[in-house]
Amino acid sequence: DARVTQTPRHKVTEMGQEVTMRCQPILGHNTVFWYRQTMMQGLELLAYFRNRAPLDDSGMPKDRFSAEMPDATLATLKIQPSEPRDSAVYFCARGTGWHFGNGTRLTVT
Amino acid sequence: DAKTTQPTSMDCAEGRAANLPCNHSTISGNEYVYWYRQIHSQGPQYIIHGLKNNETNEMASLIITEDRKSSTLILPHATLRDTAVYYCIVRVAQVNNDMRFGAGTRLTVKP
Repeated sequence: DARVTQTPRHKVTEMGQEVTMRCQPILGHNTVFWYRQTMMQGLELLAYFRNRAPLDDSGMPKDRFSAEMPDATLATLKIQPSEPRDSAVYFCARGTGWHFGNGTRLTVT
Repeated sequence: DAKTTQPTSMDCAEGRAANLPCNHSTISGNEYVYWYRQIHSQGPQYIIHGLKNNETNEMASLIITEDRKSSTLILPHATLRDTAVYYCIVRVAQVNNDMRFGAGTRLTVKP
C-alpha cells in the first residue's frame, strides 16, 4: 500500500492568510480523515469524507475551514482566514484508518 | 463520552514485555478494539485490532477478555524505539465511520 504523504511538513504564516494542506495519495473509494493535534486537546477529529462527500464534518469550524478532494488522489484542508488558535499539527488518514500521514505543523503568528 | 480508559503513563524495562491495559466496558457487539501508537513527531501507526479472539502479529499481541470489557496490548520484547503514546479505540470495523482518539498511554521504555 502506498504511504500517505502530507505537504507541507511545516508552515508558518501570518494571521489572516490562507493555508492549504495536502494529503495524497487517496486511492479509489477510500475514506479520508482529517485530525488536528495540540498539546491541550490531543488528537481531535475534524472531519471525514468518502467519495468526496462529507460523512461527518461536525468537528470542523466551517466558517473558516474547508476540506475537499480536487481529484481522486488528492485531499486538501484549507483555512481561510487563519488565526493563531489554528496553530497545531494536522494529520490526514486514508482508508479504514490504517494509513496516517506524518502531519503538517502549522504555526500562525 | 470516552469509550475507553487507559492509564496516563507506564514505564517498561528494555527487553521486557510491555503490557498496556484498556477498559472499554460499554463496547457494543459489533465494535472492534483497535490499537495505534504515535511516536514523537509522527502520525499515528496502526498496530493491531480484534473483535473477541486474541490476535497476534509481528508487532504485538492483543488479549481481549471474554466479556470484552477490557483488553491488553502486549509488546513481547520492548525496545527503546517502542517509546510512544499508545491509543486504544473501539469502533465498527469495515465501516467508514469516525475514529476518535482519547488521551492514550505514554509508554516509556527505559534501558
